[in-house]
Amino acid sequence: AQSVTQLDSQVPVFEEAPVELRCNYSSSVSVYLFWYVQYPNQGLQLLLKYLSGSTLVESINGFEAEFNKSQTSFHLRKPSVHISDTAEYFCAVSHNQAGTALIFGKGTTLSVSS
Amino acid sequence: DTGVSQDPRHKITKRGQNVTFRCDPISEHNRLYWYRQTLGQGPEFLTYFQNEAQLEKSRLLSDRFSAERPKGSFSTLEIQRTEQGDSAMYLCASSPDWGAKNIQYFGAGTRLSVL
Repeated sequence: AQSVTQLDSQVPVFEEAPVELRCNYSSSVSVYLFWYVQYPNQGLQLLLKYLSGSTLVESINGFEAEFNKSQTSFHLRKPSVHISDTAEYFCAVSHNQAGTALIFGKGTTLSVSS
Repeated sequence: DTGVSQDPRHKITKRGQNVTFRCDPISEHNRLYWYRQTLGQGPEFLTYFQNEAQLEKSRLLSDRFSAERPKGSFSTLEIQRTEQGDSAMYLCASSPDWGAKNIQYFGAGTRLSVL
């Protein structure tokens, strides 16, 4: 069985500060890894994904995550956050094939203040 | 491509009533998923369709829950004899059958409140 642990339920930061949202997973099979973002009263939006290849993946809005197989982690980082990054962030894992369920962590609330 | 559409966005019902939600996936997406999200939790998988075939169901999907995708396009999720514990956000996602390796695109969800 697969599981995801997001180590911080809430992360408060000031604008322009760096941030790291931690995610660890467990799985006995090869996996795909995802980060989704959820703004208030909206659905989940895919932020970035690791499917194969380079272990460092980036999004268009400055977030990056690194797949670390030995530590079974997929932490999300941004060097300088904006007020608009305030949202709920979910890490998810699935078996490495199409048509399988995503297993989500409980989420991390990122609150950016000025 | 208008994305995954869910209807209604909000539903308030009394305990014991039946409710039905609809999901329209991204056109040409063969795969469709339902998830449930309760307050303070991540989404939990309920069921999965490939075209019209329901291929996987979670233990969370009790006998009161039924999902259909009769023509392989839109899907419905019905909850019979609703209970207060059914109050949650119900999310639908879709993914293509080709290429994209389990990348699931989510709708905005239907928020159910059972009084």
